[in-house]
Amino acid sequence: EVQLVESGGGLVKPGGSLRLSCVASGFTFNNAWMTWVRQAPGKGLEWVGRIKMKSDGGTTDYAAPVKGRFTISRDDSKNTLYLQMNSLKTEDTAVYYCTTRYKLDGFDLWGQGTMVTVSS
Amino acid sequence: SYELTQPPSVSVSPGQTARITCSGDALPKQYAYWYQQKPGQAPVLVIHKDNERPAGIPERFSGSSSGATVTLTISGVQAEDEADYYCQSADSSGTYYVFGTGTKVTVL
Repeated sequence: EVQLVESGGGLVKPGGSLRLSCVASGFTFNNAWMTWVRQAPGKGLEWVGRIKMKSDGGTTDYAAPVKGRFTISRDDSKNTLYLQMNSLKTEDTAVYYCTTRYKLDGFDLWGQGTMVTVSS
Repeated sequence: SYELTQPPSVSVSPGQTARITCSGDALPKQYAYWYQQKPGQAPVLVIHKDNERPAGIPERFSGSSSGATVTLTISGVQAEDEADYYCQSADSSGTYYVFGTGTKVTVL
């Protein structure tokens, strides 16, 4: 089955750290550019960042609100995408989705999301 | 930072046509994509590359582009189309992606 499954969400205090994982199955993960998108409670979708496949350099790009605090990485041997979140702020509270362009030129494959709550 | 602007809400009666606009300076250069999101669910791609409809998406969903504005049209709206809709594109360099502000479609 083609799917993305996120995990690692939870409650963390401001200034803390958390690492999210996204396990891919059913497609060739190492050929995929992978993206994180988040959605704060009651708010819209926000692009967090992206990592290219290794043959395209494996480079990362981040949205301004998270640059310098969040790091996206991948382990192609484990078909897993990561989001390391440091120096967390209350405004980082959101559902975090991993997504990719599976068959189409658009985000046509999404995980179910994992909730991150930053609160004291 | 680059922004895509959508109307906050659109209300439409069943069987009528809903049009949702999305405006952004880089849209003449970059493709637009549209996503439908229902409460508690992940987004679903309903239009890609401005006007292409993925397999399995009803024909009543269509997209168009004109200059710095793209439009999602839902013809013959059905109750099941009530959802939030987001456009998505990239900045002029194609490096940074962005989602629109979102539009809540209410079926009266």
